Amino acid sequence: AQSVTQLDSHVSVSEGTPVLLRCNYSSSYSPSLFWYVQHPNKGLQLLLKYTSAATLVKGINGFEAEFKKSETSFHLTKPSAHMSDAAEYFCVVRGGSSGNTGKLIFGQGTTLQVKP
Amino acid sequence: DTGVSQNPRHKITKRGQNVTFRCDPISEHNRLYWYRQTLGQGPEFLTYFQNEAQLEKSRLLSDRFSAERPKGSFSTLEIQRTEQGDSAMYLCASSFGSGGYQETQYFGPGTRLLVL
Repeated sequence: AQSVTQLDSHVSVSEGTPVLLRCNYSSSYSPSLFWYVQHPNKGLQLLLKYTSAATLVKGINGFEAEFKKSETSFHLTKPSAHMSDAAEYFCVVRGGSSGNTGKLIFGQGTTLQVKP
Repeated sequence: DTGVSQNPRHKITKRGQNVTFRCDPISEHNRLYWYRQTLGQGPEFLTYFQNEAQLEKSRLLSDRFSAERPKGSFSTLEIQRTEQGDSAMYLCASSFGSGGYQETQYFGPGTRLLVL
């Protein structure tokens, strides 16, 4: 079965410093992977998605993620944190026996705190 | 495009009562999903529709839960005889596609349910 594990439940950075949110996945086939962000009292917003085209995926607001098959990882990074980046981040894998169902499987989430 | 909308945004009910939530997807999206998110956790898949057909249901969806999408547009999620454990955020998402790699789900703001 497909699954994702977010390695940190809480990450704290200073404004202007790099962000690293870690995610490992488990899948028996080439996965579809996503990062979503959830700001307080707002809906989930797609940051970026990996769909086997390129291993380095660029998303919105300066975020990017690199798919590493050998490490089964899909870590999210940003060179310089902004106060508005403070939110809950979810690593997500598409489910199903071959990734062809619609359902998404979410990690537990990582809370990103940005200090001034 | 106004995005996915959900009503009501908040619902407080007493244990044993029935509640119904509505989701209006992005127009022309053929797939509609329901997820449940409890405090401090990632969303969990409940069920999804392709047009009016309900294609998959999670084992989380007990007999007290029923979802419909009668005309392939909006959907309703009903919970009968609510229990305190049903307290959660109920999220709806929609997409256009057939489950391929390019499919992206867009989420609504959610309905927060509190069962007293």
